[in-house]
Amino acid sequence: GDSVTQMEGPVTLSEEAFLTINCTYTATGYPSLFWYVQYPGEGLQLLLKATKADDKGSNKGFEATYRKETTSFHLEKGSVQVSDSAVYFCALRVPGGGADGLTFGKGTHLIIQP
Amino acid sequence: NAGVTQTPKFRVLKTGQSMTLLCAQDMNHEYMYWYRQDPGMGLRLIHYSVGEGTTAKGEVPDGYNVSRLKKQNFLLGLESAAPSQTSVYFCASSLKGVAGLAEAFFGQGTRLTVV
Repeated sequence: GDSVTQMEGPVTLSEEAFLTINCTYTATGYPSLFWYVQYPGEGLQLLLKATKADDKGSNKGFEATYRKETTSFHLEKGSVQVSDSAVYFCALRVPGGGADGLTFGKGTHLIIQP
Repeated sequence: NAGVTQTPKFRVLKTGQSMTLLCAQDMNHEYMYWYRQDPGMGLRLIHYSVGEGTTAKGEVPDGYNVSRLKKQNFLLGLESAAPSQTSVYFCASSLKGVAGLAEAFFGQGTRLTVV
């Protein structure tokens, strides 16, 4: 079956540090890939997405590139802020593979210290 | 722009009690989902629906029932609550599963505690 593996946290960084959160996947078809973010006390929000190999999703200074050869979709940001503290979920969805929604990783708790 | 709205936001139940969680979306989405979120487990799919009048089981359906009588509403029921059902529940909706349009929109969550 489909699965997503991401580094588990918490990941603690200082403000303005470089961020990488690793995500790898296995999928039965050709998936679309997503990063969702969950701020404290809130639901999940889509951060960025990519639908085919070599696509780069970007939003709010975050980037992730769809690497089919390494089945990866690592999240990066050049300079993190305290406001980026949240839980980040990598997810995939296989189009036409049924309506059973997204497959999520377990989430990475990111803590940014001033 | 309400998006996906869940009610209630918090609830405490005694073991054996029943309750219904309501999810409403105003985006005319065909697909709706119920997930539960537990520490160290990520989000796990309970049930989902591909359209009005249809439902299907997800990864962890036991102890839950759902109904989709109207396209905009998706109800999650617990007939006899157990402490193992203490969790945060999220509803989500999306358009049909087409690449590039497969973004899911989430509600704010319902924190349920069963004592």
